[in-house]
Amino acid sequence: DAKTTQPNSMESNEEEPVHLPCNHSTISGTDYIHWYRQLPSQGPEYVIHGLTSNVNNRMASLAIAEDRKSSTLILHRATLRDAAVYYCILGSDQTGANNLFFGTGTRLTVIP
Amino acid sequence: GAVVSQHPSRVICKSGTSVKIECRSLDFQATTMFWYRQFPKQSLMLMATSNEGSKATYEQGVEKDKFLINHASLTLSTLTVTSAHPEDSSFYICSATPTSGELFFGEGSRLTVL
Repeated sequence: DAKTTQPNSMESNEEEPVHLPCNHSTISGTDYIHWYRQLPSQGPEYVIHGLTSNVNNRMASLAIAEDRKSSTLILHRATLRDAAVYYCILGSDQTGANNLFFGTGTRLTVIP
Repeated sequence: GAVVSQHPSRVICKSGTSVKIECRSLDFQATTMFWYRQFPKQSLMLMATSNEGSKATYEQGVEKDKFLINHASLTLSTLTVTSAHPEDSSFYICSATPTSGELFFGEGSRLTVL
Protein backbone atom coordinates (compact mmCIF):
# COMPACT_ATOMS: atom_id res chain seq x y z
CA ASP A 1 0.00 0.00 0.00
CA ALA A 2 1.31 3.41 -0.88
CA LYS A 3 2.29 5.30 2.25
CA THR A 4 1.78 8.86 3.29
CA THR A 5 3.94 10.98 5.58
CA GLN A 6 2.52 13.77 7.68
CA PRO A 7 3.89 15.89 10.52
CA ASN A 8 2.81 14.54 13.89
CA SER A 9 1.39 17.83 15.06
CA MET A 10 0.74 21.41 14.04
CA GLU A 11 -0.61 24.50 15.73
CA SER A 12 -2.63 27.33 14.34
CA ASN A 13 -4.17 30.47 15.71
CA GLU A 14 -7.91 30.76 15.52
CA GLU A 15 -9.25 32.43 12.37
CA GLU A 16 -5.96 32.03 10.53
CA PRO A 17 -5.40 29.74 7.55
CA VAL A 18 -3.84 26.33 8.11
CA HIS A 19 -1.83 24.36 5.59
CA LEU A 20 -1.51 20.68 6.43
CA PRO A 21 1.10 18.92 4.28
CA CYS A 22 1.21 15.33 3.16
CA ASN A 23 3.93 13.52 1.24
CA HIS A 24 3.06 10.50 -0.86
CA SER A 25 6.08 9.94 -3.07
CA THR A 26 5.08 6.37 -4.00
CA ILE A 27 1.59 7.27 -5.16
CA SER A 28 0.40 5.34 -8.20
CA GLY A 29 -1.29 6.90 -11.19
CA THR A 30 -4.73 5.71 -10.12
CA ASP A 31 -4.55 6.55 -6.42
CA TYR A 32 -6.95 9.16 -5.13
CA ILE A 33 -5.82 11.41 -2.28
CA HIS A 34 -8.34 11.43 0.56
CA TRP A 35 -8.40 13.55 3.69
CA TYR A 36 -10.36 12.60 6.77
CA ARG A 37 -10.33 14.12 10.22
CA GLN A 38 -11.12 12.68 13.60
CA LEU A 39 -12.37 14.74 16.49
CA PRO A 40 -11.71 13.41 20.00
CA SER A 41 -13.68 10.25 20.84
CA GLN A 42 -15.48 10.24 17.48
CA GLY A 43 -15.24 8.34 14.26
CA PRO A 44 -13.42 9.99 11.36
CA GLU A 45 -15.29 12.27 9.01
CA TYR A 46 -14.66 12.94 5.35
CA VAL A 47 -13.02 16.24 4.48
CA ILE A 48 -12.09 16.19 0.82
CA HIS A 49 -10.54 14.08 -1.91
CA GLY A 50 -8.94 14.58 -5.30
CA LEU A 51 -6.98 12.92 -8.06
CA THR A 52 -4.97 15.48 -9.99
CA SER A 53 -6.65 18.87 -9.93
CA ASN A 54 -7.04 21.11 -6.92
CA VAL A 55 -10.39 20.73 -5.20
CA ASN A 56 -12.54 23.02 -3.11
CA ASN A 57 -15.52 22.32 -0.93
CA ARG A 58 -17.27 23.98 1.97
CA MET A 59 -14.86 22.52 4.49
CA ALA A 60 -11.48 22.93 2.88
CA SER A 61 -9.33 23.09 -0.22
CA LEU A 62 -6.95 20.44 -1.48
CA ALA A 63 -3.88 21.50 -3.38
CA ILE A 64 -2.16 18.67 -5.26
CA ALA A 65 1.38 19.02 -6.54
CA GLU A 66 1.88 18.67 -10.25
CA ASP A 67 3.86 15.44 -9.79
CA ARG A 68 1.23 14.25 -7.27
CA LYS A 69 3.93 13.30 -4.79
CA SER A 70 2.58 15.69 -2.22
CA SER A 71 -0.60 17.51 -1.34
CA THR A 72 -1.75 20.16 1.10
CA LEU A 73 -5.03 20.44 2.91
CA ILE A 74 -5.97 24.06 3.41
CA LEU A 75 -8.38 25.24 6.08
CA HIS A 76 -9.05 28.84 5.19
CA ARG A 77 -9.99 30.06 8.66
CA ALA A 78 -9.28 27.70 11.52
CA THR A 79 -11.87 27.50 14.26
CA LEU A 80 -11.70 25.74 17.60
CA ARG A 81 -13.95 23.05 16.15
CA ASP A 82 -11.26 22.23 13.60
CA ALA A 83 -9.00 20.84 16.31
CA ALA A 84 -8.65 17.21 15.31
CA VAL A 85 -6.32 14.60 13.88
CA TYR A 86 -6.15 14.96 10.10
CA TYR A 87 -5.40 11.88 8.03
CA CYS A 88 -4.10 11.92 4.49
CA ILE A 89 -4.85 8.59 2.83
CA LEU A 90 -4.36 7.11 -0.60
CA GLY A 91 -7.26 5.11 -1.95
CA SER A 92 -7.55 3.09 -5.10
CA ASP A 93 -10.98 4.37 -5.95
CA GLN A 94 -12.97 7.52 -5.69
CA THR A 95 -14.88 6.51 -2.63
CA GLY A 96 -11.79 5.57 -0.73
CA ALA A 97 -13.62 2.52 0.47
CA ASN A 98 -10.90 0.20 -0.67
CA ASN A 99 -7.34 0.30 0.61
CA LEU A 100 -8.18 2.90 3.23
CA PHE A 101 -5.26 2.46 5.58
CA PHE A 102 -4.81 5.24 8.09
CA GLY A 103 -1.37 6.56 8.96
CA THR A 104 -0.57 8.45 12.12
CA GLY A 105 -2.08 11.71 10.91
CA THR A 106 -1.43 15.29 12.01
CA ARG A 107 -2.87 16.47 15.29
CA LEU A 108 -4.00 20.06 14.76
CA THR A 109 -4.23 22.32 17.79
CA VAL A 110 -6.12 25.58 17.34
CA ILE A 111 -5.10 28.32 19.71
CA PRO A 112 -7.81 30.82 20.72
CA GLY B 1 -25.62 13.47 4.51
CA ALA B 2 -25.43 9.74 4.90
CA VAL B 3 -25.29 8.46 8.45
CA VAL B 4 -23.69 5.42 9.95
CA SER B 5 -24.63 4.62 13.51
CA GLN B 6 -22.98 2.34 16.03
CA HIS B 7 -24.40 0.82 19.17
CA PRO B 8 -23.48 0.75 21.95
CA SER B 9 -21.24 3.79 22.17
CA ARG B 10 -19.70 2.50 25.38
CA VAL B 11 -19.63 -0.97 26.88
CA ILE B 12 -17.93 -2.40 29.93
CA CYS B 13 -17.75 -6.14 30.34
CA LYS B 14 -16.04 -8.76 32.42
CA SER B 15 -13.14 -10.76 31.11
CA GLY B 16 -14.30 -13.91 29.35
CA THR B 17 -17.65 -12.58 28.20
CA SER B 18 -18.65 -11.75 24.64
CA VAL B 19 -19.71 -8.33 23.40
CA LYS B 20 -21.65 -7.47 20.27
CA ILE B 21 -21.32 -4.11 18.52
CA GLU B 22 -23.80 -3.09 15.83
CA CYS B 23 -23.13 -0.88 12.83
CA ARG B 24 -26.07 0.44 10.84
CA SER B 25 -26.29 2.51 7.70
CA LEU B 26 -29.34 4.63 8.39
CA ASP B 27 -30.23 6.05 5.00
CA PHE B 28 -28.43 3.96 2.43
CA GLN B 29 -27.71 0.35 1.66
CA ALA B 30 -24.18 -0.89 2.11
CA THR B 31 -23.02 -4.17 0.63
CA THR B 32 -19.65 -3.57 2.25
CA MET B 33 -18.79 -2.27 5.69
CA PHE B 34 -15.43 -1.95 7.35
CA TRP B 35 -14.37 -2.49 10.95
CA TYR B 36 -11.45 -0.66 12.54
CA ARG B 37 -9.82 -0.73 15.94
CA GLN B 38 -8.08 2.21 17.53
CA PHE B 39 -5.94 2.11 20.65
CA PRO B 40 -5.34 5.32 22.65
CA LYS B 41 -3.17 7.87 20.89
CA GLN B 42 -2.84 5.59 17.87
CA SER B 43 -4.28 5.53 14.40
CA LEU B 44 -7.13 3.41 13.11
CA MET B 45 -6.27 -0.12 12.10
CA LEU B 46 -8.45 -1.91 9.59
CA MET B 47 -9.56 -5.21 11.10
CA ALA B 48 -11.87 -6.64 8.49
CA THR B 49 -14.13 -6.01 5.54
CA SER B 50 -17.70 -7.11 6.07
CA ASN B 51 -19.57 -8.31 2.98
CA GLU B 52 -23.34 -8.67 2.93
CA GLY B 53 -24.34 -12.27 2.44
CA SER B 54 -20.83 -13.68 2.51
CA LYS B 55 -17.89 -14.18 4.82
CA ALA B 56 -15.88 -11.26 6.07
CA THR B 57 -12.34 -10.68 4.90
CA TYR B 58 -9.92 -10.27 7.78
CA GLU B 59 -6.67 -8.36 7.76
CA GLN B 60 -3.47 -10.16 8.60
CA GLY B 61 -3.06 -10.76 12.29
CA VAL B 62 -6.76 -10.40 13.14
CA GLU B 63 -8.26 -13.59 14.55
CA LYS B 64 -11.52 -14.37 12.78
CA ASP B 65 -12.67 -16.69 15.57
CA LYS B 66 -12.07 -13.94 18.09
CA PHE B 67 -13.78 -11.16 16.18
CA LEU B 68 -16.92 -12.56 14.60
CA ILE B 69 -18.46 -10.44 11.88
CA ASN B 70 -21.96 -10.88 10.53
CA HIS B 71 -23.43 -8.79 7.73
CA ALA B 72 -26.89 -10.23 7.44
CA SER B 73 -28.60 -7.29 5.77
CA LEU B 74 -27.73 -4.35 3.57
CA THR B 75 -27.96 -1.96 6.51
CA LEU B 76 -26.49 -3.90 9.42
CA SER B 77 -23.13 -5.41 10.27
CA THR B 78 -22.23 -6.74 13.71
CA LEU B 79 -18.87 -7.32 15.34
CA THR B 80 -18.78 -9.77 18.25
CA VAL B 81 -15.70 -9.80 20.43
CA THR B 82 -15.71 -13.31 21.85
CA SER B 83 -14.18 -14.20 25.20
CA ALA B 84 -13.01 -10.64 25.66
CA HIS B 85 -9.85 -9.91 27.60
CA PRO B 86 -8.44 -6.60 28.88
CA GLU B 87 -6.13 -6.34 25.87
CA ASP B 88 -9.25 -6.20 23.67
CA SER B 89 -10.19 -2.90 25.29
CA SER B 90 -10.20 -0.40 22.46
CA PHE B 91 -12.25 2.00 20.36
CA TYR B 92 -14.02 0.06 17.61
CA ILE B 93 -15.20 1.99 14.56
CA CYS B 94 -17.19 0.89 11.54
CA SER B 95 -17.59 2.56 8.18
CA ALA B 96 -19.71 2.13 5.10
CA THR B 97 -20.17 3.75 1.73
CA PRO B 98 -23.14 4.18 -0.55
CA THR B 99 -22.66 2.87 -4.05
CA SER B 100 -20.91 6.10 -4.90
CA GLY B 101 -19.52 8.80 -2.67
CA GLU B 102 -17.34 9.14 0.37
CA LEU B 103 -16.85 6.74 3.20
CA PHE B 104 -18.98 7.39 6.27
CA PHE B 105 -17.87 6.38 9.73
CA GLY B 106 -19.85 5.48 12.80
CA GLU B 107 -19.42 7.31 16.08
CA GLY B 108 -17.30 4.50 17.48
CA SER B 109 -17.82 2.06 20.34
CA ARG B 110 -15.50 2.14 23.32
CA LEU B 111 -15.02 -1.30 24.83
CA THR B 112 -13.54 -1.70 28.28
CA VAL B 113 -12.85 -5.22 29.49
CA LEU B 114 -12.32 -5.55 33.21
